[in-house]
Amino acid sequence: DQQVKQNSPSLSVQEGRISILNCDYTNSMFDYFLWYKKYPAEGPTFLISISSIKDKNEDGRFTVFLNKSAKHLSLHIVPSQPGDSAVYFCAASAGGGGADGLTFGKGTHLIIQP
Amino acid sequence: ETGVTQTPRHLVMGMTNKKSLKCEQHLGHNAMYWYKQSAKKPLELMFVYSLEERVENNSVPSRFSPECPNSSHLFLHLHTLQPEDSALYLCASSQWTPGVTEAFFGQGTRLTVV
Repeated sequence: DQQVKQNSPSLSVQEGRISILNCDYTNSMFDYFLWYKKYPAEGPTFLISISSIKDKNEDGRFTVFLNKSAKHLSLHIVPSQPGDSAVYFCAASAGGGGADGLTFGKGTHLIIQP
Repeated sequence: ETGVTQTPRHLVMGMTNKKSLKCEQHLGHNAMYWYKQSAKKPLELMFVYSLEERVENNSVPSRFSPECPNSSHLFLHLHTLQPEDSALYLCASSQWTPGVTEAFFGQGTRLTVV
């Protein structure tokens, strides 16, 4: 059973508008959440993260929101740019530093239309 | 050279072959990982090495054999693979510190088993 779910395989957004990518999780032990971005033929690159003690983290055009009671997080990109077109993976960790590894969702393919 | 580098980028092997995937990290991290990405599936954690010792195995078949000779290098030895093992194999590294879980990925090795 998937512990991290990204229910939208793809999302199409017009350039300049807001992109909202969603992620749900089931494991209550997860306490650190990350978003990765992946271009074809490349490995995932780290984008932004949030600890469970926070409900929001912002970095430039990217903001991640965490709703622990709903076990839901979202990534907002505003304004969306053509270079944002990629697959976005949500990932979660159950603490213990890096040794636990990350549990990933299946990814959402974001397409920014000009 | 910086980051995480993987070689080869592409590999085609027969089911009776033996091959090895190589990963090298130049980030000074103390944990390294092998992940597998199959089509339409989330990234799956295969192996974790922390401080050069294997931490987690995740029930990976014995035809996959990891080796971590030092904190900068990680290998995945392959033998008698099956066609369903064809996938993108990603190496990652991180600094094992409580509360910090960002993993940095290599570009991956695209493996095809024929």
